[in-house]
Amino acid sequence: DAGVTQSPTHLIKTRGQQVTLRCSPKSGHDTVSWYQQALGQGPQFIFQYYEEEERQRGNFPDRFSGHQFPNYSSELNVNALLLGDSALYLCASSPRGGGAGETQYFGPGTRLLVL
Amino acid sequence: GDSVTQMEGPVTLSEEAFLTINCTYTATGYPSLFWYVQYPGEGLQLLLKATKADDKGSNKGFEATYRKETTSFHLEKGSVQVSDSAVYFCALLMTGNQFYFGTGTSLTVIP
Repeated sequence: DAGVTQSPTHLIKTRGQQVTLRCSPKSGHDTVSWYQQALGQGPQFIFQYYEEEERQRGNFPDRFSGHQFPNYSSELNVNALLLGDSALYLCASSPRGGGAGETQYFGPGTRLLVL
Repeated sequence: GDSVTQMEGPVTLSEEAFLTINCTYTATGYPSLFWYVQYPGEGLQLLLKATKADDKGSNKGFEATYRKETTSFHLEKGSVQVSDSAVYFCALLMTGNQFYFGTGTSLTVIP
């Protein structure tokens, strides 16, 4: 049973560019959350998708957007990249709508470097 | 708002030493509490969890007890191994489905 997968593993972009990161959830999971982990910090919640809609959002600007597809996979898009967007982007999936107490399972992450 | 405060590291221990990593939380309701571990170059892996007060989560020799009275969820292990070297994150989950993570505690175990 494949776990959460993310692509690409590494990415280098320049300021002002746009980037798309992809995530496939663990089999049987219907809820996908995205996190940004800056170097030496804990993950910060960006947003969560369920039933193809953004259900909850953290304190991130509108430059960060996402999408969930009918097969539950998800994309994270970041426009107008800033140097400060350099981080490890983690995707996590959970079952049953990600209700209270449901564990989130994390992928290996995409490391984004903005030059 | 909801938050997690974690013991700062880095922590360096000798093999077979006793480990404690402190974690306290602030929450408006009754969260579920988690410990995740991150090995170098990898994503986060669930280590253990507890969903209500007085529950004890345990896995791979690690334990943590959900203490509502002290709003704590300290991670302990009686005898650490070199393979336990990693970064440990305490996290809470409220009914809003959003995880709040601590800043992480780096553990290095030397032989």
